[in-house]
Amino acid sequence: DAKTTQPPSMDCAEGRAANLPCNHSTISGNEYVYWYRQIHSQGPQYIIHGLKNNETNEMASLIITEDRKSSTLILPHATLRDTAVYYCIARGTSYGKLTFGQGTILTVHP
Amino acid sequence: EAQVTQNPRYLITVTGKKLTVTCSQNMNHEYMSWYRQDPGLGLRQIYYSMNVEVTDKGDVPEGYKVSRKEKRNFPLILESPSPNQTSLYFCASSSSGTVNTEAFFGQGTRLTVV
Repeated sequence: DAKTTQPPSMDCAEGRAANLPCNHSTISGNEYVYWYRQIHSQGPQYIIHGLKNNETNEMASLIITEDRKSSTLILPHATLRDTAVYYCIARGTSYGKLTFGQGTILTVHP
Repeated sequence: EAQVTQNPRYLITVTGKKLTVTCSQNMNHEYMSWYRQDPGLGLRQIYYSMNVEVTDKGDVPEGYKVSRKEKRNFPLILESPSPNQTSLYFCASSSSGTVNTEAFFGQGTRLTVV
């Protein structure tokens, strides 16, 4: 699976959009981009994933650049409960296994 | 409600005393796995199972055993726990191990071995 790079931390004001970037410049054509988050030592929670096209669900939107070398997770209206560590994972060859990096600590403040 | 349930949530034990952490999922998932999370090291896979009676080692299997006798259950066994197995453990399941399936995680088991 391709290596991903994320900023160690970000801040966001409550009610504003949180845009979390992820770099995956060595991603291959069959690798999906996944986002999970972990709220204070709870189990990681799946957010969204995509291959080439942008994706949206009830939690977030995923924007993948045309060259697929980077992506952005967007939480449209961040709340205090969105404070968590967000993990971007490029997943292609490893059957079943998720390789978590250090992630981005997102702090949403009032 | 679809969920992965781990028990116990917290456990303090002594070195060498065998213990089992249970994991159960109600989604009829084929793929299950165990991870441990340690500060600075992130989440690392211990063991996984692709289906009943099919298990294999992950990245850090030493000191652990697993079994998969039923589809819904995937217990983690520490035959002789040691202090370096003090960690936060997560069980996860997914419908399969293919790359287009999301994983569901349990709420975690915080284990302390003294």
